[in-house]
Amino acid sequence: SQTIHQWPATLVQPVGSPLSLECTVEGTSNPNLYWYRQAAGRGLQLLFYSVGIGQISSEVPQNLSASRPQDRQFILSSKKLLLSDSGFYLCAWIPPGLRNSPLHFGNGTRLTVT
Amino acid sequence: SQKIEQNSEALNIQEGKTATLTCNYTNYSPAYLQWYRQDPGRGPVFLLLIRENEKEKRKERLKVTFDTTLKQSLFHITASQPADSATYLCALDSPANNLFFGTGTRLTVIP
Repeated sequence: SQTIHQWPATLVQPVGSPLSLECTVEGTSNPNLYWYRQAAGRGLQLLFYSVGIGQISSEVPQNLSASRPQDRQFILSSKKLLLSDSGFYLCAWIPPGLRNSPLHFGNGTRLTVT
Repeated sequence: SQKIEQNSEALNIQEGKTATLTCNYTNYSPAYLQWYRQDPGRGPVFLLLIRENEKEKRKERLKVTFDTTLKQSLFHITASQPADSATYLCALDSPANNLFFGTGTRLTVIP
C-alpha cells in the first residue's frame, strides 16, 4: 500500500533562518506531488506541484522554493524565512495521469517563525 | 480566479440530527468537486467525489449534491455522531487539473 511521510511534525525557526521540509511517498511510482500551506482561518493554498523529477510548477510568488530530486521525494525550502511563512505545510500525492483522483495528504509540518 | 465559499466557519448541531454544509463557487464550473475531512493537526482525508453530470452521491451516512446552475454543493451527514466533529473542506478542480480548497466548516456534534 502507498504511504506518505512528512517531517518534521513541528518546527520553530527564527526569522531569516533557512528551511527544508521533506516529503516522501512509498508504494507508487511517478506520482504527482503537491505542497499546500494552511494558514490560520484560511483554506489550503497550493504552493507547488510536480509531475516528475526536476519538474516544478509554482502557483504563487513567494519566499519559498521546491525541488524534486528523486521520483518520490519532494522538498520545500527557503533561504530566509519570514514571519508570514508560519503555517501548516502539507504534502500530498495522486497517481500519475489520473484526473479526478483524490489527494492523499501527509500529516503536515506545523512551522512557527519567530 | 475561482472563489470558493463554505457557508460558515463553524456549525454546531445536536447528536442524531442531519448536518448540512454548503460550498459555493463563483467562477467557472468545475468538472468535479471533492469533500474532505480534516481533524486537528492532521492532513485532510478524502470522503467523496461528485462529477458535474452527477446530481447526488452517497456513501453510508454521507450525501453530496452538486448543482451547477446554483454553483453549489451541499454535504449532508445524517444521524450525526460526536465522532463526526471535524473540519470539512470542499475542493474544486481547475483547468490546470489542480485542486483548490475552500476555507472549511468546523462541525461540532453535541452529545
